[in-house]
Amino acid sequence: AQSVTQLDSQVPVFEEAPVELRCNYSSSVSVYLFWYVQYPNQGLQLLLKYLSGSTLVKGINGFEAEFNKSQTSFHLRKPSVHISDTAEYFCAVSRREGGKLIFGQGTELSVKP
Amino acid sequence: GAVVSQHPSWVICKSGTSVKIECRSLDFQATTMFWYRQFPKQSLMLMATSNEGSKATYEQGVEKDKFLINHASLTLSTLTVTSAHPEDSSFYICSAAGGSSGANVLTFGAGSRLTVL
Repeated sequence: AQSVTQLDSQVPVFEEAPVELRCNYSSSVSVYLFWYVQYPNQGLQLLLKYLSGSTLVKGINGFEAEFNKSQTSFHLRKPSVHISDTAEYFCAVSRREGGKLIFGQGTELSVKP
Repeated sequence: GAVVSQHPSWVICKSGTSVKIECRSLDFQATTMFWYRQFPKQSLMLMATSNEGSKATYEQGVEKDKFLINHASLTLSTLTVTSAHPEDSSFYICSAAGGSSGANVLTFGAGSRLTVL
């Protein structure tokens, strides 16, 4: 079985500061990794995904994530955040692309002016 | 692009009644759709996998008689919460695989908020 742990439930940060949202996963088999963003009362939007190949993945809105197999991590980063980045961020794993997703607990990113 | 529509987006019902939530893939066919439940300030919990033309596969602990899932066509899956009670109040989100981005890319609906009085 797979599981996902997001180490921070809340991350407050000032506008234009860098941010890292941490995600660790556990799986006995190879998995695909995803980051989603959820704005209040909305569904999820895919930020980026790691399927194979380069361990540094670039996504939308200036976000990127690095897959680290030895540390079983997939941390999300952005060098300079905006107020509009305030949202809930979910890390997720799947055994196959298009398969069911197992989500982490979520990290609430709060960007302050 | 791929668009998944959920209806209704908000629903309030009385305890004991049944509520149906629709999930439609608007511009692509989806043989598989997933239903998730999200409590306030919590993560998404997978409830079931809906397969077109066959019975849904429910996750452990999810009552199949309580949460009826029907996937009658390649563009529509429905979730019916039967005899709803206040503890069923939650945010229900569906996702579907397919669209121009590829058959294996999941697109999420905007969610349906159910409040049971």
